[in-house]
Formats: sequence, C-alpha cells, structure tokens
Amino acid sequence: GENVEQHPSTLSVQEGDSAVIKCTYSDSASNYFPWYKQELGKRPQLIIDIRSNVGEKKDQRIAVTLNKTAKHFSLHITETQPEDSAVYFCAFGEYGNKLVFGAGTILRVKS
Amino acid sequence: DSGVTQTPKHLITATGQRVTLRCSPRSGDLSVYWYQQSLDQGLQFLIQYYNGEERAKGNILERFSAQQFPDLHSELNLSSLELGDSALYFCASSIGGGNTGELFFGEGSRLTVL
Repeated sequence: GENVEQHPSTLSVQEGDSAVIKCTYSDSASNYFPWYKQELGKRPQLIIDIRSNVGEKKDQRIAVTLNKTAKHFSLHITETQPEDSAVYFCAFGEYGNKLVFGAGTILRVKS
Repeated sequence: DSGVTQTPKHLITATGQRVTLRCSPRSGDLSVYWYQQSLDQGLQFLIQYYNGEERAKGNILERFSAQQFPDLHSELNLSSLELGDSALYFCASSIGGGNTGELFFGEGSRLTVL
C-alpha cells in the first residue's frame, strides 16, 4: 500500500544550527510533496510544498529537495530558532486527492 | 484561522456510545478529508469526499461512517466506541478536483472514550 517513511523520529539541534528531515515514499504516481508543521495542541499547517517537475524549492530559511528517481524528499531548515520547535510531517499525494502523511519528526531547538 | 470549522472541540463519552463530528470546509472548497491522530501518532487518513461523493477511503473502521451534504459540510459518525478510538480527529478541506493540493486543517475534535 501507499506509505512514506520519515526519519528521524526526533531531532534535537542547537539554536542556529541546521535541521534536515528525510522522507521516502512508495507511490510512483505522486506528484505533490508538502511539509506540514504542527505545534503542540494545534492544527497542522503547510510550511512548504514542491511539485514533481521541480527538484528544489526555497522559502527563506526553509528548503525542500526532491529526487523522484530515488523517491526521496527532504526538508532543510537553516539557522534554527526556538519557535521552529514542533512536529514536522512530510506527505505525498496527487493533485486534488488525499495526502499520505509520514509518522512525524519532533524537532527540538535548544537555546 | 484556516477557515475550516470543526465541532465539537472536545467530546467525552463512554464505550459503546455513538458520536457525530461535524466539519464545515473553507468557502469554495469542494473536497473534505478526515484524519485521525492518536497520541504520539501521525495523521491517519480515514476518508475523502469531493462535491458530495466519496472519493477515497483509507483505514476507516466499519464502525465509522461519513458523508458530505449538498452544502458541502461533512459529518463523521463513530459508533460502538472503544477506548482505542480516543484521538484527535481532524477535518481538512481543499479545492480538490485536480487543482491545488494544499489541505487546510480545522482545529480538530478531541474525542475521549472512557
């Protein structure tokens, strides 16, 4: 079935360092790869997404890279800040259809 | 505020009971999705509706059912509740139909089964 493996499950970094979260997906037909951030007790919110025709996308301190051949995509956060502490979920899907989410990564940024 | 409204926010009930969770999507969104998030778990896809029709089904238990009404709001019905059904149930909406893939989540309905 469809699934996505997300690593690591927890990640602790020092403020100012970079954080990288990696996902591997199973469905070759997927063409949409978003990342969601969920703060404690709150709803998941989209932070960045990438379409299958693009290899990399950047938005300020956040970037996502996609390798469709290897079915890998990664989230990169640079210059981490305490407010980046949250659970991050990768997901994949097809336009207009359901998203399959990874198990999540708990990111802790220590100040 | 995502524009997706879920009620109730909190619900406490007993095993064997039945509850209904309600979701109003963002204005203009035709797709509604239901996800279950148990403690320390990810987001498990339950079911998707598009413009009133069921579009995709995940690992939804037979005790659970859902529908989307003509005004596009959706309800998730959970029956014969068990302790393990305690979770946060999220509704999300999107334009759907092959356009943008972004899902907008509601604040969730936290169900506690005692």
